[in-house]
Amino acid sequence: DAKTTQPTSMDCAEGRAANLPCNHSTISGNEYVYWYRQIHSQGPQYIIHGLKNNETNEMASLIITEDRKSSTLILPHATLRDTAVYYCIPNTGTASKLTFGTGTRLQVTL
Amino acid sequence: ETGVTQSPTHLIKTRGQQVTLRCSSQSGHNTVSWYQQALGQGPQFIFQYYREEENGRGNFPPRFSGLQFPNYSSELNVNALELDDSALYLCASSSSGTGVKNIQYFGAGTRLSVL
Repeated sequence: DAKTTQPTSMDCAEGRAANLPCNHSTISGNEYVYWYRQIHSQGPQYIIHGLKNNETNEMASLIITEDRKSSTLILPHATLRDTAVYYCIPNTGTASKLTFGTGTRLQVTL
Repeated sequence: ETGVTQSPTHLIKTRGQQVTLRCSSQSGHNTVSWYQQALGQGPQFIFQYYREEENGRGNFPPRFSGLQFPNYSSELNVNALELDDSALYLCASSSSGTGVKNIQYFGAGTRLSVL
């Protein structure tokens, strides 16, 4: 599994964009980048995934660099409910295990 | 709501006892994965079941075992409980098949305390 590096914690003001970086320099060519988040006392929640093109859904946008060694998850208008631990997870996309690191703890404040 | 339900939500056991945790997967999903999450850590993969067979295992001893039933629900059994087994146990369901991109849907977990 590719190793990932994420900031331990980040703060964001409510209503502003939250940009969460992830370094995955050893990612394999067949690995997607998945993002999950875990709100306190809940199970992880899938957010978005991508291979090499930028992706957007109703929750977030994912920007992957051209060399695929890093990516950024963007929450365009963060709310208090977005306070959570965010995990970046390279994965081949088959039904295999997810390898969680320690993630980034995002605190959204008023 | 993911449609994945786990029971019980909380459990207290003593060292040496055995425990069974249960998971009902989301409708249409044929794969169940179990994870252990210690306090302050990310979830760690225990094993996965696909069509009632174990389909991958993480670095956990044999006293961690599982079952998947024909309706794709699953059980996690832990024998000879140790204090370090205290954790949140998460179940995730997903669908295996061509073109499916391994999106796992997690339950809220079972919090196990071993005294």
